[in-house]
Amino acid sequence: DAGVIQSPRHEVTEMGQEVTLRCKPISGHNSLFWYRQTMMRGLELLIYFNNNVPIDDSGMPEDRFSAKMPNASFSTLKIQPSEPRDSAVYFCASSLFPRRWQQYFGPGTRLTVT
Amino acid sequence: QQQVKQSPQSLIVQKGGISIINCAYENTAFDYFPWYQQFPGKGPALLIAIRPDVSEKKEGRFTISFNKSAKQFSLHIMDSQPGDSATYFCAASGSNDYKLSFGAGTTVTVRA
Repeated sequence: DAGVIQSPRHEVTEMGQEVTLRCKPISGHNSLFWYRQTMMRGLELLIYFNNNVPIDDSGMPEDRFSAKMPNASFSTLKIQPSEPRDSAVYFCASSLFPRRWQQYFGPGTRLTVT
Repeated sequence: QQQVKQSPQSLIVQKGGISIINCAYENTAFDYFPWYQQFPGKGPALLIAIRPDVSEKKEGRFTISFNKSAKQFSLHIMDSQPGDSATYFCAASGSNDYKLSFGAGTTVTVRA
């Protein structure tokens, strides 16, 4: 069974550009999480969806960040405009309610903003 | 404010040795304690998890020890192998919560 799929794996962009990260959760999972990982701050939860509905977006750093989940098998995280401090590895994870804490992570997207 | 404190930041162990990583928490509502293993360039992978109703859980060479009164838990990697070289994260969550509070991570290097 396929795990969480993320694309692209690497993204290099210039400051001010729009960046869209994509995630396909594990089939059947109904909870989806976006995380950001940096050396300084570790793993940070950005947003949590349950049944395609955003439940908690308190971790989204600024209005430049937005996330959508149009259906159960696809989610996007968009940064517009991007800034160098957004450089990080972004992970998508999914889980099956009610075991929301058993989260399965994708391989991540390494974003570099120059 | 980090809800789960993890130590050490890094450790080096010889092949065949024991790696020990410690974590401490304050929130008594936590009742699920997973450990994640992350290899360079990969996402964290769920390794093993424990609930507070048991003091120890073993899966192969990996053992979690849990001390509820001290609010501490630890991961022991027995007979460490070079393939175990990775970053390990402890985490904690309440069963009615969706958030995982992660420790800062421990980079384990196993020398052959």
